[in-house]
Amino acid sequence: SQQGEEDPQALSIQEGENATMNCSYKTSINNLQWYRQNSGRGLVHLILIRSNEREKHSGRLRVTLDTSKKSSSLLITASRAADTASYFCATDANSGYSTLTFGKGTMLLVSP
Amino acid sequence: DVKVTQSSRYLVKRTGEKVFLECVQDMDHENMFWYRQDPGLGLRLIYFSYDVKMKEKGDIPEGYSVSREKKERFSLILESASTNQTSMYLCASKTSGDYNEQFFGPGTRLTVL
Repeated sequence: SQQGEEDPQALSIQEGENATMNCSYKTSINNLQWYRQNSGRGLVHLILIRSNEREKHSGRLRVTLDTSKKSSSLLITASRAADTASYFCATDANSGYSTLTFGKGTMLLVSP
Repeated sequence: DVKVTQSSRYLVKRTGEKVFLECVQDMDHENMFWYRQDPGLGLRLIYFSYDVKMKEKGDIPEGYSVSREKKERFSLILESASTNQTSMYLCASKTSGDYNEQFFGPGTRLTVL
């Protein structure tokens, strides 16, 4: 079953601008993770935020989590052309096996 | 660095063939996963394994089976490939614990003719 749903489906910006992607989910979670996928490749983990955390930073990435709204956002500041990729949120619903349920992703295009 | 490798980047098979997709990880991870990725559908979990010889169904196990005889290796088997199994297949592994990331292989793009 699909848990995370990203918004928007696609985003096109210029280098130097900020990119914001949102994720909504349906059930209670243990943690939420964001992954990046370059075209035709495997996914790379970006950041994990626990259910008791509200905000987390890693380099140019900022993730927020609002468990009352069951939503998260990923902000990439000062985007670069190399940030062009698909971004997925994934939720760990604390089902006992630590499996992740992925959303359908946001495709980000950063133009020079 | 954790390395997850998959046996093929591209694979073309015929309908009805038996297909083996192999995944190997080198970090002694307990958990391994197989996903398929299709446009507009995102990643969907097929099967996972939390220990040697253990397997659990994911969201879409129909038409697939798995094997985990050694800790580092997790195989996905298509007993009789069908055209609707044309997809990108991604393997991942992670260590046990609630707050650990998954490490992904590069993917195998399978085409069934």
